Amino acid sequence: GNSVTQMEGPVTLSEEAFLTINCTYTATGYPSLFWYVQYPGEGLQLLLKATKADDKGSNKGFEATYRKETTSFHLEKGSVQVSDSAVYFCALSGSGGSYIPTFGRGTSLIVHP
Amino acid sequence: DTGVSQDPRHKITKRGQNVTFRCDPISEHNRLYWYRQTLGQGPEFLTYFQNEAQLEKSRLLSDRFSAERPKGSFSTLEIQRTEQGDSAMYLCASSLGSQVGAGETQYFGPGTRLLVL
Repeated sequence: GNSVTQMEGPVTLSEEAFLTINCTYTATGYPSLFWYVQYPGEGLQLLLKATKADDKGSNKGFEATYRKETTSFHLEKGSVQVSDSAVYFCALSGSGGSYIPTFGRGTSLIVHP
Repeated sequence: DTGVSQDPRHKITKRGQNVTFRCDPISEHNRLYWYRQTLGQGPEFLTYFQNEAQLEKSRLLSDRFSAERPKGSFSTLEIQRTEQGDSAMYLCASSLGSQVGAGETQYFGPGTRLLVL
């Protein structure tokens, strides 16, 4: 079956540091890949997505590139802010003819001033 | 666009009682999903509707769980004879889907937190 593996958290950084959150996946065919973010006390919301190999999704300074050869979709940001503190979920859908999304366990990011 | 809403936001019940949750999706969205999320985990798929048809159900969804989406609008998730293991956050999401693999975005509600005593 499909699976998504994210690096363990929490990830603790100082403001303006570089961020990488690793995400790898196992899936049939060519799924779409997503990063969702959950801020404290709020619901999940889409951060960015990529629908085919080598696509780069970007939003709010975050980027992730769909790498089929390494089955990865790592999230990066060049300079994090305190307001980026949240839980980040990597997810895939559209694998093997199924609409059912598969989420990773989430990675908590804590940014200190 | 008022977003996805869920009611109630919190529910405390005693083991053995029945509970029902409601989800109101974004009005033009044809797909509606239910998930369960426990602490430290990502959302786990429970079931999904395309319009009023329930198309897939997870093996996580025991016979005590039932979901409906009459007229393809709001949806309800009922848990009968609740157990302590049912304590979790129940999330609803909706999307406007056209084809598999098209990368449709899901819009999540704030969730209903259930505690079974």
